[in-house]
Order: sequence, then C-alpha cells, then structure tokens
Amino acid sequence: DTGVSQNPRHKITKRGQNVTFRCDPISEHNRLYWYRQTLGQGPEFLTYFQNEAQLEKSRLLSDRFSAERPKGSFSTLEIQRTEQGDSAMYLCASSTSPHSGGSSYNEQFFGPGTRLTVL
Amino acid sequence: AQKVTQAQTEISVVEKEDVTLDCVYETRDTTYYLFWYKQPPSGELVFLIRRNSFDEQNEISGRYSWNFQKSTSSFNFTITASQVVDSAVYFCALSEGDSNYQLIWGAGTKLIIKP
Repeated sequence: DTGVSQNPRHKITKRGQNVTFRCDPISEHNRLYWYRQTLGQGPEFLTYFQNEAQLEKSRLLSDRFSAERPKGSFSTLEIQRTEQGDSAMYLCASSTSPHSGGSSYNEQFFGPGTRLTVL
Repeated sequence: AQKVTQAQTEISVVEKEDVTLDCVYETRDTTYYLFWYKQPPSGELVFLIRRNSFDEQNEISGRYSWNFQKSTSSFNFTITASQVVDSAVYFCALSEGDSNYQLIWGAGTKLIIKP
C-alpha cells in the first residue's frame, strides 16, 4: 500500500456544475477524513467516517456538499451547484481509530489533495 | 474554545542556520494531542510528530526537536543546521479529548531556506 490516494488531482469546472472527488485510504485504516484548505491557511475539517458511518460533519459542510463511504473503504465527496468560493484544495486523510492500538494511534496520513478551481 | 496560533507567517534563513517555529494553543481539555505537519511545495501533508498532553518530555529526531511547555501552552519546533530541502509550510495542529477525530490547525509558517 502506497498511502492515501485522491482523484482527480486537479479539477476545473464552471460555476453551477457538480463535481465529485474520490479518496482511497490506506487499506487497514478504518477512519477517513475530509478537509478543505484555501491558500495561505491551514486545513479546515469537513467530515469524517469510521468505517461506513459518517460520525461528524462540520458546519462548513453546506447542503451542497455530501460525502459517502458506502463500503467502508473508498470515499467520495460531491459538491453540487459549485460556487467560486468552493475553489480550494480538498484533502483526504485516513487513520486507525483510538482503540485500535499500535504506534500509529490517531496519526492522520494525508493524500495529495484535489485542487478545485471554479470559474 | 480551541485554537492554534502560529504567529510567524514566513521565516527566511540561510542554510545551516538554526530556526524555531512557534506554536501556541488554547484548549479547555486536560487530554489533548499536538502535532506538527510539513507541507512541501508538492502539497502533500507529511506527519512529523505527535505529543500527548501528559508527556512534556522534549523530543529530538535528527535535526528536528520539539519543546512542549504546558505552562505557556506552547509546542515549538526547532530545525538545527537547516537545509534547502526543509523549505516548506509547517503546520501545528491540536486534537482534543479521547475521540481525537478532528484536527484544529494553525495557519502555518512558511519556511524559506536560502542556499
């Protein structure tokens, strides 16, 4: 396993279009996280899954955003009716959960991100 | 409320100099975790260190060292004998409580190492 992967790496879309991003976590990790990062800022938490259950959603995640992890493996993040303010880097991370044990407790491993540009 | 402050927006030093990146955090929890991540120009965040609130021992890993002081709510990061490859944006982050699902991030410090 080579780490967390994300596709596509770049997406350019017109305002009002829908976009979907995919994240494939490290295979033995049961937690998956989505973050958004704008230029010059740290990442902002959007949501996370433990297995297939979405356990927390940030208030940043408006109704236009939806995330799924149907089989507890890969996840998708969809943005409907994109706006220019959605332009950002969307980061995915994965980790084990706190009671899984092992030295990687809570360490989140990040993917390379998907850079979204909304024109 | 939880918060992470990295007051240094950008630091520029000449190669081989030592440099310290500051991180100050706020939390009401007694159990929390602090992290440092590196984001090179390629964009991928790279984990550097995790420290829990009950372990104030300082840590050294090669040219990297971390100074955790609960009395001042600081978790500073020092690079000794800096190298051009250390150029990146460095983020400090906080995770509260036992659930530890959400990382609260500082704004990052851009470190430029000049040859």
